[in-house]
Amino acid sequence: GQQLNQSPQSMFIQEGEDVSMNCTSSSIFNTWLWYKQDPGEGPVLLIALYKAGELTSNGRLTAQFGITRKDSFLNISASIPSDVGIYFCAPIPNSGGSNYKLTFGKGTLLTVNP
Amino acid sequence: EADIYQTPRYLVIGTGKKITLECSQTMGHDKMYWYQQDPGMELHLIHYSYGVNSTEKGDLSSESTVSRIRTEHFPLTLESARPSHTSQYLCASSESQRTGSEKLFFGSGTQLSVL
Repeated sequence: GQQLNQSPQSMFIQEGEDVSMNCTSSSIFNTWLWYKQDPGEGPVLLIALYKAGELTSNGRLTAQFGITRKDSFLNISASIPSDVGIYFCAPIPNSGGSNYKLTFGKGTLLTVNP
Repeated sequence: EADIYQTPRYLVIGTGKKITLECSQTMGHDKMYWYQQDPGMELHLIHYSYGVNSTEKGDLSSESTVSRIRTEHFPLTLESARPSHTSQYLCASSESQRTGSEKLFFGSGTQLSVL
């Protein structure tokens, strides 16, 4: 199966700082999804990327679909305490099809100190 | 807005008890999933279903079982709970009509503690 690496595993930052995390793989993907999981809740979809090189923003979040189609980046600008949580990437290959099971990265645990 | 519900939110039980975790979705999704997650850790797929009367084991071996008698309902059962089953259990659903509809919608989870 595909190998999916998400880093960093955890981050401890001060409020107001920018954050960057990424996922890389040896496989090529057609779509990259980014999810956020608040403490004690289920993950929620933040951003979906569908084209290599695509740069998409959602408020203070910006995600990019790598040009090689093997990686994706998520940036958070001017972090605030409610950004705390676990961020997961979830790529989908070109051959996904309707029976494809979504694979998640291992997650980046973000802690924001006020 | 996702309409997928899990009950109970929290469950503390003794060893050996039989339990059922409920999951229901009102979106008409064919595909449903159960994930197991330890605190701050990755999501492990333990069961999934592509439709009524279809259930499959996931990537992580689990002693739990599931059933899919109705599209909207995907309960998970543990016949005899043990402390090693203590974890958060997350239910999710997605469409299956077309490629690109693999976006999962998650419930809020059930935090299970077995004493």
